[in-house]
Amino acid sequence: DAGVTQSPTHLIKTRGQHVTLRCSPISGHKSVSWYQQVLGQGPQFIFQYYEKEERGRGNFPDRFSARQFPNYSSELNVNALLLGDSALYLCASSPGGPVYEQYFGPGTRLTVT
Amino acid sequence: QKEVEQNSGPLSVPEGAIASLNCTYSDRVSQSFFWYRQYSGKSPELIMSIYSNGDKEDGRFTAQLNKASQYVSLLIRDSQPSDSATYLCAVEGWGNGNKLVFGAGTILRVKS
Repeated sequence: DAGVTQSPTHLIKTRGQHVTLRCSPISGHKSVSWYQQVLGQGPQFIFQYYEKEERGRGNFPDRFSARQFPNYSSELNVNALLLGDSALYLCASSPGGPVYEQYFGPGTRLTVT
Repeated sequence: QKEVEQNSGPLSVPEGAIASLNCTYSDRVSQSFFWYRQYSGKSPELIMSIYSNGDKEDGRFTAQLNKASQYVSLLIRDSQPSDSATYLCAVEGWGNGNKLVFGAGTILRVKS
């Protein structure tokens, strides 16, 4: 079975630009969460979507937004990029409901110059 | 106080020894606890989950949970050089979806 997929793998953007990151969950999983991981730290929660509805939002500015599509894939959008947005962006998939185990994709490495 | 705390390490153990990784958390309401392994440049990989007090064993890995002490640990028996990685403790956070709150991770080095 295919795991969580993310695209692109790497991305270089300039300050002020916007970026869209994509994620496809494990087949049958209905929940997608997004995390940001900077070097030397653990992943930090950004958003969770379940059945296309936002179920949780972390402490990130409104420049960050996300959505989930009918096929359960998801997009994370970041506007007005700052140097501090440079990080590994991780998508995690879980069945949803009372099951909390989350499985991460390979991540998108975003560099903002 | 950080929500999830881990000793950053590095923790160095010889090949074949037991590696003991520890984690404390601040939210008493937390019910689900996870250990992830992350190799350098890779994404976290789920290796253990534990929901009840006590021990849970899976191969060379044993997770231990003590909710009264707000303490989770991971034991790795017969450590191998391939176990060298950063180990992340994650706690399910209530009140905001089922987000995971991560510690900063403990670097484990297994020396052959």
